[in-house]
Amino acid sequence: DAGVTQSPTHLIKTRGQQVTLRCSPKSGHDTVSWYQQALGQGPQFIFQYYEEEERQRGNFPDRFSGHQFPNYSSELNVNALLLGDSALYLCASSSGQSEQYFGPGTRLTVT
Amino acid sequence: GQNIDQPTEMTATEGAIVQINCTYQTSGFNGLFWYQQHAGEAPTFLSYNVLDGLEEKGRFSSFLSRSKGYSYLLLKELQMKDSASYLCAPLDSNYQLIWGAGTKLIIKP
Repeated sequence: DAGVTQSPTHLIKTRGQQVTLRCSPKSGHDTVSWYQQALGQGPQFIFQYYEEEERQRGNFPDRFSGHQFPNYSSELNVNALLLGDSALYLCASSSGQSEQYFGPGTRLTVT
Repeated sequence: GQNIDQPTEMTATEGAIVQINCTYQTSGFNGLFWYQQHAGEAPTFLSYNVLDGLEEKGRFSSFLSRSKGYSYLLLKELQMKDSASYLCAPLDSNYQLIWGAGTKLIIKP
């Protein structure tokens, strides 16, 4: 049983560009949450998707958007990248509000 | 506001016992999770407490007191591989996980 997978593993972009990160949830999970984690900090909640809709959103600007597909996989899009967007982006899946299982993350570097 | 308070860093000796404390303030409460995170890796689930008391799972135990807004993670028979950050994350009234910066645990031989 595959766990949560994310792609790509690493990514380098320049300021102003756009990026799309992808996540496939653990089998049987219908809820996907996205987090941003800066070095030495805890994860910061970006948003959560359930039944292809954004159910909750953290304190992130509209440059951060997402999507969930019928197979429960999800994408995180970030527009007009800033240097401060450099971080580890984590996707976590769960079945409803049970414990969240994290993917390996995507390390985004903005130069 | 919502707040998590954990020690920034702790040091312990291999084979010993360590307790990592967490105090929290959240808008509503629907349980509390503990996660382990090794450097450069994703967090992994350790435990979940929703009722007061102690939950034991092998070498790891987690305790919750809802009235005090307090939890601790107890690690026994410490191994070098236990060197990691430990994150306390309560679930608020919207079922959103609230994360602190975590406690970096250093194990020495």
